[in-house]
Amino acid sequence: GENVGLHLPTLSVQEGDNSIINCAYSNSASDYFIWYKQESGKGPQFIIDIRSNMDKRQGQRVTVLLNKTVKHLSLQIAATQPGDSAVYFCAENLEGSGNTGKLIFGQGTTLQVKP
Amino acid sequence: NAGVMQNPRHLVRRRGQEARLRCSPVKGHSHVYWYRQLPEEGLKFMVYLQKENIIDESGMPKERFSAEFPKEGPSILRIQQVVRGDSAAYFCASSGGGASYNSPLHFGNGTRLTVT
Repeated sequence: GENVGLHLPTLSVQEGDNSIINCAYSNSASDYFIWYKQESGKGPQFIIDIRSNMDKRQGQRVTVLLNKTVKHLSLQIAATQPGDSAVYFCAENLEGSGNTGKLIFGQGTTLQVKP
Repeated sequence: NAGVMQNPRHLVRRRGQEARLRCSPVKGHSHVYWYRQLPEEGLKFMVYLQKENIIDESGMPKERFSAEFPKEGPSILRIQQVVRGDSAAYFCASSGGGASYNSPLHFGNGTRLTVT
């Protein structure tokens, strides 16, 4: 499943399918991007990050793709599991801000995994 | 394996009261960031502190809000004379040596402030 509309807040997928969560970022000067997962009542949990000098980075069951030409970031989750159900946020950091902890968060996408 | 600890988890205040939110960073981390999350929204940066110094408070409201990170003890976010619009989840994050590619932010589970 994939949220093809960048402003679509909810993505529903079948357990075992791959998920693709998309994000448009706002500033071409951003040089660092992060994906966080937030479960209900909890804080954001770091998933994976990527620098602007890369276009792809892989983790365990997750891949982040960065397309600087169109300012687009995506998170791919392989073999989605019920435990992946959460809200997913992309965040960017402005180059030269001198503070890579000063992040700009997107609106978030809710991932619902159907058993 | 103590991560970022925030307390209280839930805080209820009447309008006009003061709210104090505490954050203990990951052991060894000397950089703390505070973020606010309104319902159905992403997090918004408020302030960045190092021990005894405010580095960047560009996201803090000009009035009623203050933050500190003393040499000893937790970081404190203080909201004076709370109003209903202050109701939100407040998250603290810490990093070692300033967040970077090799040191991403780790967030606590937040304090949910409700102003009645």
